[in-house]
Amino acid sequence: GNSVTQMEGPVTLSEEAFLTINCTYTATGYPSLFWYVQYPGEGLQLLLKATKADDKGSNKGFEATYRKETTSFHLEKGSVQVSDSAVYFCALRLTGGGNKLTFGTGTQLKVEL
Amino acid sequence: EAQVTQNPRYLITVTGKKLTVTCSQNMNHEYMSWYRQDPGLGLRQIYYSMNVEVTDKGDVPEGYKVSRKEKRNFPLILESPSPNQTSLYFCASSLDWLTGIQYFGAGTRLSVL
Repeated sequence: GNSVTQMEGPVTLSEEAFLTINCTYTATGYPSLFWYVQYPGEGLQLLLKATKADDKGSNKGFEATYRKETTSFHLEKGSVQVSDSAVYFCALRLTGGGNKLTFGTGTQLKVEL
Repeated sequence: EAQVTQNPRYLITVTGKKLTVTCSQNMNHEYMSWYRQDPGLGLRQIYYSMNVEVTDKGDVPEGYKVSRKEKRNFPLILESPSPNQTSLYFCASSLDWLTGIQYFGAGTRLSVL
């Protein structure tokens, strides 16, 4: 079946450190890939997306590249801030799969001063 | 302001006492969905609706009901709640069923004793 695997958290970084959160997927066909972010006490919101191989999604300094050969969509940011502390979810949607999103388990990021 | 509104935000109830969690969106979105979020499991889809009077089961529909009588509202009904339905619930909406971009409510934390 289709699935998304994320690195376990929590990930704790100092402000201005480099961030990588790993995400790999298993899917039939060619999915679209997403990163959603959940700030404390809030619902999820879309951070970035990529719809085909080699696409790079970017937003708010975060980037992720759709790598078909490694079935990965790792999230990166060059310099994190305390305000980036949140839970990050990787998700996929199959082409022709309607709007069903399959989510990973989430990775909590804590950024300290 | 464009938003998805869930009520209540917090609910404590007892086994077997019927409850309804309301969800309303003001963006004229066609697609709406309910998820539950549990530690270590990420978000799992309960039910979704592609338009008025069109609903279908997600991955974990047992013990839940939904209805879509109006485009803006998509209530989640637990006819006879059980402790294993203690969870954090999210409603989401999307302009259509093609993009995968969903807008989430702030969540309802339910405890069934």
